[in-house]
Amino acid sequence: SQKIEQNSEALNIQEGKTATLTCNYTNYSPAYLQWYRQDPGRGPVFLLLIRENEKEKRKERLKVTFDTTLKQSLFHITASQPADSATYLCALPNTGGFKTIFGAGTRLFVKA
Amino acid sequence: DAGVIQSPRHEVTEMGQEVTLRCKPISGHNSLFWYRQTMMRGLELLIYFNNNVPIDDSGMPEDRFSAKMPNASFSTLKIQPSEPRDSAVYFCASSSLIAGVYNEQFFGPGTRLTVL
Repeated sequence: SQKIEQNSEALNIQEGKTATLTCNYTNYSPAYLQWYRQDPGRGPVFLLLIRENEKEKRKERLKVTFDTTLKQSLFHITASQPADSATYLCALPNTGGFKTIFGAGTRLFVKA
Repeated sequence: DAGVIQSPRHEVTEMGQEVTLRCKPISGHNSLFWYRQTMMRGLELLIYFNNNVPIDDSGMPEDRFSAKMPNASFSTLKIQPSEPRDSAVYFCASSSLIAGVYNEQFFGPGTRLTVL
């Protein structure tokens, strides 16, 4: 069955450093992958979408890579700030592409 | 645009009672999703609609759960009878389906349901 894995342990980093979060998937080949941010008590907010023919995508301090051979996406936040502290979810379409499956998310803490 | 609107924001009820959650999607979006989020199971898709028609309800846990979308601007998720294990945050999200691909989903603020 399709499976999405994100590091369940929280990631703690110092302000100004680069945060790198990992999303691994198995048993399918998604046409695209999305990253969302979720703050406590709020719904997820879309950040970036990367398609299978794109190796890398950037948006301000965010960078996402998509390696379809490794079946992995990396999500980077450069020059991290305490305001970046949140849970980050990766999401992929299921086989057939008609519904989105979310990973469990990784909690990021950025210390000042 | 007000975004996706959900009501109520919090609901506390007793086991056996009926619970109705409401959602107003973003105007112009043709797809609507109901999710449930718990610490143990994460974010789970319950059901989704395309052009007001239920497409996949395989995530609905039991017959106690039902969802309707009578028009493009309103959807309900009903639990009858409710049980303590239904306690969770329920999110509604809307999106556009274009050329067979969903664009980003816009989530509402969620309804925190507690069943005593």
